[in-house]
Amino acid sequence: DVKVTQSSRYLVKRTGEKVFLECVQDMDHENMFWYRQDPGLGLRLIYFSYDVKMKEKGDIPEGYSVSREKKERFSLILESASTNQTSMYLCASSRPRSYNSPLHFGNGTRLTVT
Amino acid sequence: AQKITQTQPGMFVQEKEAVTLDCTYDTSDQSYGLFWYKQPSSGEMIFLIYQGSYDQQNATEGRYSLNFQKARKSANLVISASQLGDSAMYFCAMREGDYNNNDMRFGAGTRLTVKP
Repeated sequence: DVKVTQSSRYLVKRTGEKVFLECVQDMDHENMFWYRQDPGLGLRLIYFSYDVKMKEKGDIPEGYSVSREKKERFSLILESASTNQTSMYLCASSRPRSYNSPLHFGNGTRLTVT
Repeated sequence: AQKITQTQPGMFVQEKEAVTLDCTYDTSDQSYGLFWYKQPSSGEMIFLIYQGSYDQQNATEGRYSLNFQKARKSANLVISASQLGDSAMYFCAMREGDYNNNDMRFGAGTRLTVKP
């Protein structure tokens, strides 16, 4: 079974803090994704990566950056957390660029910024 | 522009009855895939069913089937014989294949409640 592991289930941070959300997958997948989920808005793509050291902006990259130094790990960074970044963050991975591959998700990190 | 549209924020269905969750999509690609995911209250995203743009037949997986109408750009999920455990959020999603990076876009979701 594919396993996508997010380091924290719940996280509480203060405004202005630098926040790291970590995601690790064990299936040697090339593609990795970060989404945020908000009620009524569904899942919105923040960033994705299709190879080590490669990254592409999604629909809402502002206020976020990512790092992919190793194939299995994809980190989401909030450079200076703000209250409007309070959300559920979901990491996912999939096989190489292919429109017929499903995404495999982690269990999510619920981030609260106070 | 919104690529995936789910027009039903919430739906109710009686246990053992069938229910259809609507999804329309927008793409100019010829190659694309459509997916449905279930998210129970625990928060995990569970992949349910896939339909490819070139598939001639509607996809089925157990009690789930996908009513694919390509000309209308709709990909509705049908759940037969609803069970209490089907109560969850359901998301429709699409991956485009021709000229894009194959990232996946999601709709806003439909919350399904199964009544005993």
